[in-house]
Amino acid sequence: DQQVKQNSPSLSVQEGRISILNCDYTNSMFDYFLWYKKYPAEGPTFLISISSIKDKNEDGRFTVFLNKSAKHLSLHIVPSQPGDSAVYFCAASDGAGGTSYGKLTFGQGTILTVHP
Amino acid sequence: KAGVTQTPRYLIKTRGQQVTLSCSPISGHRSVSWYQQTPGQGLQFLFEYFSETQRNKGNFPGRFSGRQFSNSRSEMNVSTLELGDSALYLCASSPGQGPSEAFFGQGTRLTVV
Repeated sequence: DQQVKQNSPSLSVQEGRISILNCDYTNSMFDYFLWYKKYPAEGPTFLISISSIKDKNEDGRFTVFLNKSAKHLSLHIVPSQPGDSAVYFCAASDGAGGTSYGKLTFGQGTILTVHP
Repeated sequence: KAGVTQTPRYLIKTRGQQVTLSCSPISGHRSVSWYQQTPGQGLQFLFEYFSETQRNKGNFPGRFSGRQFSNSRSEMNVSTLELGDSALYLCASSPGQGPSEAFFGQGTRLTVV
């Protein structure tokens, strides 16, 4: 039972344009969401997060949108740069009384390629 | 501030052996979580330790175990290794209370032959 899904295995974008990565979840108890960037044979690097009490969070070129009713979140990267090429994972956690934020459920990842 | 450190980076073991991986979290972080990444299954949660106690556990067999020390450093042990245990093992540290980002180490690449 995959509770977090990234339905697009890959995305190709031109440098300078917007990259939009999507993520859907099924567990309505999830209340904290994160995006990570990962290169092969390295650990994921944290990009941005959002709490379920918000619908948008921005940090520089990265913006995450959360639509709770649709159980959908997206990561927008504007403008995209060749250095953004990597695998992007969305992850979710369920507070469950404040003890379960240490458990992240990950999507399968989306390979982003930004062409110069 | 030093990041999350995992040792060793690479390991080759034979089926049936056991292995211990180590993780030193960011200073001040009390939660350490372990994940397994394989091409077929993606990133899967193994367990989380907080203040020397296992707080969360994923769906892995009992051959996978861990512990945490009083300085928050954590170890993960896999006994009776199987070929399918070949994977990148990642640990992540976080403050441990309330929602916050988890910071990952570089991982340990385990190959079982």
